[in-house]
Amino acid sequence: GAGVSQSPSNKVTEKGKDVELRCDPISGHTALYWYRQRLGQGLEFLIYFQGNSAPDKSGLPSDRFSAERTGESVSTLTIQRTQQEDSAVYLCASSFGTKQTQYFGPGTRLLVL
Amino acid sequence: GIQVEQSPPDLILQEGANSTLRCNFSDSVNNLQWFHQNPWGQLINLFYIPSGTKQNGRLSATTVATERYSLLYISSSQTTDSGVYFCAVESDSNYQLIWGAGTKLIIKP
Repeated sequence: GAGVSQSPSNKVTEKGKDVELRCDPISGHTALYWYRQRLGQGLEFLIYFQGNSAPDKSGLPSDRFSAERTGESVSTLTIQRTQQEDSAVYLCASSFGTKQTQYFGPGTRLLVL
Repeated sequence: GIQVEQSPPDLILQEGANSTLRCNFSDSVNNLQWFHQNPWGQLINLFYIPSGTKQNGRLSATTVATERYSLLYISSSQTTDSGVYFCAVESDSNYQLIWGAGTKLIIKP
């Protein structure tokens, strides 16, 4: 597609359930980033992929969070045993490489009840 | 790590006014980007500007890397300019973009 797409656009889940968020980057973009944005706040870096490898996982807030990327394309962010504080918008971005302009998807709005 | 500070935190203007948003950063950077997040949450890249001056329509940006600041200018503001403007920088040491807290801009008709 022409831009970064994310699914689902909205997700409501119960505390303790696992959720999977998907990101489809712009075709040809080797770098992919996941961010979290809590209501009224700035972006918080979670993880970065170069190709299928993740050289920087330092932003993942706990071991309940994991991410993978296959085929240098789609990435999934998985949150296990969700907690209410996980409620946020999860944004994905891609770029041709590091130190390049990042293009953002519309985000997934996650609400944990 | 690098600290990014944006000012002002909030700005309310009448349509047609001009504005200047500032981004200060605490260390040398390889990369500085300005983004606009519209009221529906979509983030749009405005400028990739590690140094120098760029212009795009009513918007322009200047980064003075040696003095560790960047300015975003918006002229003849329109209501569609409303939203939050973020500055984000990338350091030499890793590939993370470090984000400022944003400037929330409201343009009144």
